[in-house]
Amino acid sequence: AAGVIQSPRHLIKEKRETATLKCYPIPRHDTVYWYQQGPGQDPQFLISFYEKMQSDKGSIPDRFSAQQFSDYHSELNMSSLELGDSALYFCASSPGLAGETYEQYFGPGTRLTVT
Amino acid sequence: GENVEQHPSTLSVQEGDSAVIKCTYSDSASNYFPWYKQELGKRPQLIIDIRSNVGEKKDQRIAVTLNKTAKHFSLHITETQPEDSAVYFCAASGSGTYKYIFGTGTRLKVLA
Repeated sequence: AAGVIQSPRHLIKEKRETATLKCYPIPRHDTVYWYQQGPGQDPQFLISFYEKMQSDKGSIPDRFSAQQFSDYHSELNMSSLELGDSALYFCASSPGLAGETYEQYFGPGTRLTVT
Repeated sequence: GENVEQHPSTLSVQEGDSAVIKCTYSDSASNYFPWYKQELGKRPQLIIDIRSNVGEKKDQRIAVTLNKTAKHFSLHITETQPEDSAVYFCAASGSGTYKYIFGTGTRLKVLA
Protein backbone atom coordinates (compact mmCIF):
# COMPACT_ATOMS: atom_id res chain seq x y z
CA ALA A 1 0.00 0.00 0.00
CA ALA A 2 1.14 3.54 -0.68
CA GLY A 3 2.68 5.33 2.26
CA VAL A 4 3.55 8.92 3.10
CA ILE A 5 6.55 10.09 1.15
CA GLN A 6 8.97 12.71 2.43
CA SER A 7 11.88 14.30 0.64
CA PRO A 8 14.68 14.72 1.07
CA ARG A 9 15.45 12.07 3.66
CA HIS A 10 18.59 13.84 4.83
CA LEU A 11 19.52 17.48 4.58
CA ILE A 12 22.58 19.33 5.79
CA LYS A 13 22.46 23.12 5.91
CA GLU A 14 24.52 25.87 7.44
CA LYS A 15 23.26 28.44 9.91
CA ARG A 16 21.16 31.21 8.34
CA GLU A 17 20.44 29.13 5.24
CA THR A 18 16.97 28.08 4.11
CA ALA A 19 15.51 24.61 3.68
CA THR A 20 12.38 23.18 2.08
CA LEU A 21 10.94 19.86 3.18
CA LYS A 22 8.31 18.10 1.09
CA CYS A 23 5.56 15.70 2.03
CA TYR A 24 3.34 13.62 -0.22
CA PRO A 25 0.37 12.18 1.70
CA ILE A 26 -1.29 8.85 1.15
CA PRO A 27 -3.70 9.10 -1.81
CA ARG A 28 -7.15 10.38 -0.80
CA HIS A 29 -5.82 11.73 2.50
CA ASP A 30 -6.65 15.42 2.69
CA THR A 31 -5.08 16.28 6.04
CA VAL A 32 -1.37 16.75 6.64
CA TYR A 33 0.45 17.29 9.93
CA TRP A 34 4.06 18.36 10.51
CA TYR A 35 5.99 17.34 13.64
CA GLN A 36 9.50 18.15 14.83
CA GLN A 37 11.38 15.61 16.92
CA GLY A 38 14.62 16.64 18.61
CA PRO A 39 17.12 14.02 19.83
CA GLY A 40 15.63 11.98 22.65
CA GLN A 41 12.42 13.97 22.62
CA ASP A 42 8.81 13.37 21.70
CA PRO A 43 7.42 14.68 18.42
CA GLN A 44 6.16 18.25 18.73
CA PHE A 45 3.26 19.40 16.58
CA LEU A 46 4.15 22.27 14.25
CA ILE A 47 1.26 22.86 11.88
CA SER A 48 -1.53 21.08 10.01
CA PHE A 49 -3.57 21.51 6.86
CA TYR A 50 -7.02 20.28 5.89
CA GLU A 51 -8.23 20.64 2.34
CA LYS A 52 -5.38 23.01 1.54
CA MET A 53 -6.19 25.38 4.39
CA GLN A 54 -4.18 25.73 7.57
CA SER A 55 -6.21 23.97 10.24
CA ASP A 56 -4.04 24.32 13.33
CA LYS A 57 -0.77 25.80 14.43
CA GLY A 58 1.50 24.61 17.19
CA SER A 59 5.00 25.50 18.27
CA ILE A 60 6.16 26.56 14.83
CA PRO A 61 8.72 29.40 14.78
CA ASP A 62 7.89 32.51 12.76
CA ARG A 63 10.92 31.64 10.59
CA PHE A 64 9.03 28.60 9.33
CA SER A 65 6.08 28.58 6.96
CA ALA A 66 4.14 25.82 5.26
CA GLN A 67 1.42 25.25 2.77
CA GLN A 68 -0.62 22.50 1.17
CA PHE A 69 -1.01 22.47 -2.57
CA SER A 70 -3.88 21.51 -4.86
CA ASP A 71 -2.54 17.94 -5.16
CA TYR A 72 -2.49 17.79 -1.32
CA HIS A 73 1.26 17.61 -1.01
CA SER A 74 2.73 19.95 1.56
CA GLU A 75 5.97 21.86 1.92
CA LEU A 76 7.62 23.17 5.07
CA ASN A 77 9.86 26.16 4.42
CA MET A 78 12.48 26.99 6.99
CA SER A 79 14.51 30.18 6.87
CA SER A 80 17.37 31.65 8.92
CA LEU A 81 18.21 28.17 10.15
CA GLU A 82 19.61 27.84 13.65
CA LEU A 83 21.59 25.01 15.24
CA GLY A 84 18.54 24.20 17.35
CA ASP A 85 16.52 23.42 14.24
CA SER A 86 18.51 20.21 13.82
CA ALA A 87 15.91 17.47 14.25
CA LEU A 88 13.83 14.80 12.58
CA TYR A 89 10.86 16.32 10.79
CA PHE A 90 7.91 14.02 10.30
CA CYS A 91 4.94 14.53 8.10
CA ALA A 92 1.78 12.54 8.78
CA SER A 93 -1.44 12.26 6.82
CA SER A 94 -4.95 11.15 7.66
CA PRO A 95 -8.35 11.06 5.97
CA GLY A 96 -9.31 13.93 8.24
CA LEU A 97 -13.04 13.77 7.80
CA ALA A 98 -14.76 16.48 9.81
CA GLY A 99 -16.03 15.41 13.19
CA GLU A 100 -13.81 12.37 13.54
CA THR A 101 -10.31 11.67 14.70
CA TYR A 102 -8.40 9.30 12.49
CA GLU A 103 -5.11 7.52 12.70
CA GLN A 104 -2.22 9.53 11.40
CA TYR A 105 0.19 7.72 9.11
CA PHE A 106 3.74 8.95 9.51
CA GLY A 107 6.28 9.37 6.76
CA PRO A 108 9.90 8.21 7.14
CA GLY A 109 11.01 11.68 8.21
CA THR A 110 13.60 14.17 7.04
CA ARG A 111 16.72 14.45 9.16
CA LEU A 112 17.85 18.06 9.11
CA THR A 113 21.31 18.88 10.37
CA VAL A 114 22.28 22.52 10.75
CA THR A 115 26.00 23.20 11.08
CA GLY B 1 -2.50 24.06 27.81
CA GLU B 2 -2.83 20.55 26.49
CA ASN B 3 -0.43 18.13 28.10
CA VAL B 4 0.21 14.39 28.22
CA GLU B 5 2.35 12.92 30.97
CA GLN B 6 3.92 9.51 30.48
CA HIS B 7 5.59 7.18 32.99
CA PRO B 8 8.02 5.59 33.39
CA SER B 9 10.65 7.18 31.17
CA THR B 10 12.63 3.93 31.09
CA LEU B 11 11.53 0.38 31.75
CA SER B 12 13.58 -2.80 31.79
CA VAL B 13 11.87 -6.19 31.95
CA GLN B 14 12.95 -9.77 31.54
CA GLU B 15 11.87 -11.56 28.40
CA GLY B 16 8.45 -13.10 28.96
CA ASP B 17 7.43 -10.64 31.65
CA SER B 18 4.77 -7.96 31.24
CA ALA B 19 5.33 -4.24 30.72
CA VAL B 20 2.94 -1.44 31.63
CA ILE B 21 3.24 2.17 30.53
CA LYS B 22 0.89 4.84 31.85
CA CYS B 23 -0.26 8.18 30.49
CA THR B 24 -2.38 11.00 31.81
CA TYR B 25 -3.91 13.69 29.64
CA SER B 26 -5.20 17.11 30.55
CA ASP B 27 -7.70 18.01 27.82
CA SER B 28 -11.10 16.50 28.60
CA ALA B 29 -12.10 16.99 24.95
CA SER B 30 -9.57 14.37 23.83
CA ASN B 31 -11.32 11.35 22.38
CA TYR B 32 -8.66 9.32 20.57
CA PHE B 33 -5.59 7.76 22.16
CA PRO B 34 -3.00 6.04 19.96
CA TRP B 35 0.18 4.32 21.04
CA TYR B 36 3.24 4.41 18.83
CA LYS B 37 6.43 2.37 18.82
CA GLN B 38 9.53 4.08 17.52
CA GLU B 39 12.89 2.53 16.81
CA LEU B 40 15.97 4.72 16.67
CA GLY B 41 15.86 7.08 13.69
CA LYS B 42 12.68 5.52 12.33
CA ARG B 43 9.14 6.75 11.99
CA PRO B 44 6.58 6.21 14.78
CA GLN B 45 4.52 3.10 14.06
CA LEU B 46 0.98 2.74 15.41
CA ILE B 47 0.65 -0.38 17.55
CA ILE B 48 -2.80 0.10 19.06
CA ASP B 49 -5.35 2.84 19.61
CA ILE B 50 -8.52 3.40 21.60
CA ARG B 51 -11.42 5.78 21.31
CA SER B 52 -13.14 7.42 24.24
CA ASN B 53 -16.30 5.33 23.94
CA VAL B 54 -14.34 2.15 24.73
CA GLY B 55 -12.72 1.17 28.01
CA GLU B 56 -10.37 -1.53 26.82
CA LYS B 57 -8.98 -2.91 23.59
CA LYS B 58 -6.73 -5.89 22.99
CA ASP B 59 -4.66 -7.08 20.05
CA GLN B 60 -2.74 -10.29 20.72
CA ARG B 61 -0.05 -9.42 23.29
CA ILE B 62 -0.93 -5.74 23.44
CA ALA B 63 -3.81 -4.12 25.28
CA VAL B 64 -4.81 -0.58 26.10
CA THR B 65 -7.14 0.57 28.88
CA LEU B 66 -8.79 3.96 29.23
CA ASN B 67 -10.28 5.63 32.29
CA LYS B 68 -11.99 8.77 31.02
CA THR B 69 -12.99 9.97 34.45
CA ALA B 70 -9.42 9.94 35.68
CA LYS B 71 -8.01 10.89 32.25
CA HIS B 72 -5.66 7.93 32.38
CA PHE B 73 -4.78 5.38 29.73
CA SER B 74 -2.29 2.57 29.85
CA LEU B 75 -0.45 0.21 27.50
CA HIS B 76 0.02 -3.39 28.55
CA ILE B 77 2.43 -5.70 26.75
CA THR B 78 2.43 -9.34 27.83
CA GLU B 79 5.01 -12.04 27.12
CA THR B 80 7.57 -9.44 26.11
CA GLN B 81 10.17 -10.31 23.51
CA PRO B 82 13.53 -8.68 22.71
CA GLU B 83 12.06 -7.18 19.54
CA ASP B 84 9.62 -5.22 21.71
CA SER B 85 12.58 -3.09 22.78
CA ALA B 86 11.98 0.45 21.50
CA VAL B 87 10.64 3.84 22.59
CA TYR B 88 6.89 3.92 23.10
CA PHE B 89 4.86 7.11 22.86
CA CYS B 90 1.31 7.66 23.94
CA ALA B 91 -0.69 10.49 22.40
CA ALA B 92 -4.02 12.21 22.85
CA SER B 93 -6.08 13.76 20.09
CA GLY B 94 -9.53 15.03 19.30
CA SER B 95 -9.55 18.55 20.61
CA GLY B 96 -10.20 20.93 17.75
CA THR B 97 -8.23 19.85 14.73
CA TYR B 98 -7.08 16.40 15.82
CA LYS B 99 -3.40 17.09 16.19
CA TYR B 100 -1.54 14.66 18.44
CA ILE B 101 -0.16 15.72 21.78
CA PHE B 102 2.52 13.15 22.56
CA GLY B 103 3.74 11.91 25.89
CA THR B 104 7.45 12.15 26.62
CA GLY B 105 8.12 8.53 25.70
CA THR B 106 9.15 5.34 27.49
CA ARG B 107 12.31 3.50 26.54
CA LEU B 108 11.51 -0.19 26.95
CA LYS B 109 14.32 -2.72 27.16
CA VAL B 110 13.49 -6.39 27.11
CA LEU B 111 16.37 -8.41 28.48
CA ALA B 112 16.91 -11.84 26.98
